Amino acid sequence: AQTVTQSQPEMSVQEAETVTLSCTYDTSESDYYLFWYKQPPSRQMILVIRQEAYKQQNATENRFSVNFQKAAKSFSLKISDSQLGDAAMYFCAYRSVRGGGATNKLIFGTGTLLAVQP
Amino acid sequence: GAGVSQSPRYKVAKRGQDVALRCDPISGHVSLFWYQQALGQGPEFLTYFQNEAQLDKSGLPSDRFFAERPEGSVSTLKIQRTQQEDSAVYLCASSFTRDSEQYFGPGTRLTVT
Repeated sequence: AQTVTQSQPEMSVQEAETVTLSCTYDTSESDYYLFWYKQPPSRQMILVIRQEAYKQQNATENRFSVNFQKAAKSFSLKISDSQLGDAAMYFCAYRSVRGGGATNKLIFGTGTLLAVQP
Repeated sequence: GAGVSQSPRYKVAKRGQDVALRCDPISGHVSLFWYQQALGQGPEFLTYFQNEAQLDKSGLPSDRFFAERPEGSVSTLKIQRTQQEDSAVYLCASSFTRDSEQYFGPGTRLTVT
């Protein structure tokens, strides 16, 4: 079974600075997707960025980028120029790409609570 | 367009009561997922629908949990004889296909007293 581990329960960053959130995962599959989701106090889970395992190039979305190390099974999120609105719980998630009748549900880590200091 | 909506946003139930949680997915989305998020934890999969067919219910924690999606759109998650351990946020997500991006609703926070 696949597992996702986030070892940083809480992180803090100064506004305009850069912060990196860590995530490791375990799988025997060779093809899969990895995601970072943001969950503000409103509870709405918002997709921040996604990475296809077969792509070597790290995904970027504006101020958000990932460092995907497939061999090490590591998938960290870097937030540049942090803004007050970035404060939220961040979840790393894994999804298989199996065919047939597989559900390919999202498997989440336990989350990292990010505080942004003005 | 409208996103995924869930109702009620908050529900308080006395232990032993039955509750029904509703999810309105994005129109045209074939796939619908339910997740349970305990306090301080990440969401955990409960069940999956493709149209009206419930293809995976492996995450339902007990036979007190029941989900349906009779017409392939709105889905209801029912919990019978609620227990304190059922207290959690219940998230619904829909996607155009099984493998496309899942869009989440705001969740229903269930508190069992």
